[in-house]
Amino acid sequence: GQNIDQPTEMTATEGAIVQINCTYQTSGFNGLFWYQQHAGEAPTFLSYNVLDGLEEKGRFSSFLSRSKGYSYLLLKELQMKDSASYLCAVLDSNYQLIWGAGTKLIIKP
Amino acid sequence: GAVVSQHPSWVICKSGTSVKIECRSLDFQATTMFWYRQFPKQSLMLMATSNEGSKATYEQGVEKDKFLINHASLTLSTLTVTSAHPEDSSFYICSARFGGDNYEQYFGPGTRLTVT
Repeated sequence: GQNIDQPTEMTATEGAIVQINCTYQTSGFNGLFWYQQHAGEAPTFLSYNVLDGLEEKGRFSSFLSRSKGYSYLLLKELQMKDSASYLCAVLDSNYQLIWGAGTKLIIKP
Repeated sequence: GAVVSQHPSWVICKSGTSVKIECRSLDFQATTMFWYRQFPKQSLMLMATSNEGSKATYEQGVEKDKFLINHASLTLSTLTVTSAHPEDSSFYICSARFGGDNYEQYFGPGTRLTVT
């Protein structure tokens, strides 16, 4: 079966750094996406990794290790508006997106 | 670029009636559109995938006669919830994909359906 695991919930402090992990076991791999979803809103694209390594985009970075079936999303200089759910999704061998359950990130002042 | 709209943004209907939700790609042609459902505090659940001009592919457990999907053009897909029941109340989100080597999905703002 196909499986994507992420922590259900994480709490961090404003101004700090937080790392959200995602591990996957899928039939094939054609890339991994991270999306942000605020409550009651649709997901918005954050990053796409298909090769190993770190992709940096402003305060957000995403890392991928295909051999380990592992990715993380790193958020720096946390702001209150970063409180949201973060969804990890893997593009499998059929180019279907397999979604994780999401990690709810709570930012405290 | 890559804007997807949905209409309506929210709808309340009575049990037994049908509701149509529209999903439009405003500034690009979407070869594939996806329909998701999301219950409170849960993740996205893919309902079906539709390609322009062909029948939608439904995920296991999704009743195709209840959730009618029409992808009539490269910019429009519709989801009709037929004979709605209170348990159909949910947040319905569509997304669209360019096609080719671009697999990113662009999401619409979602439609909140409440069936009374």
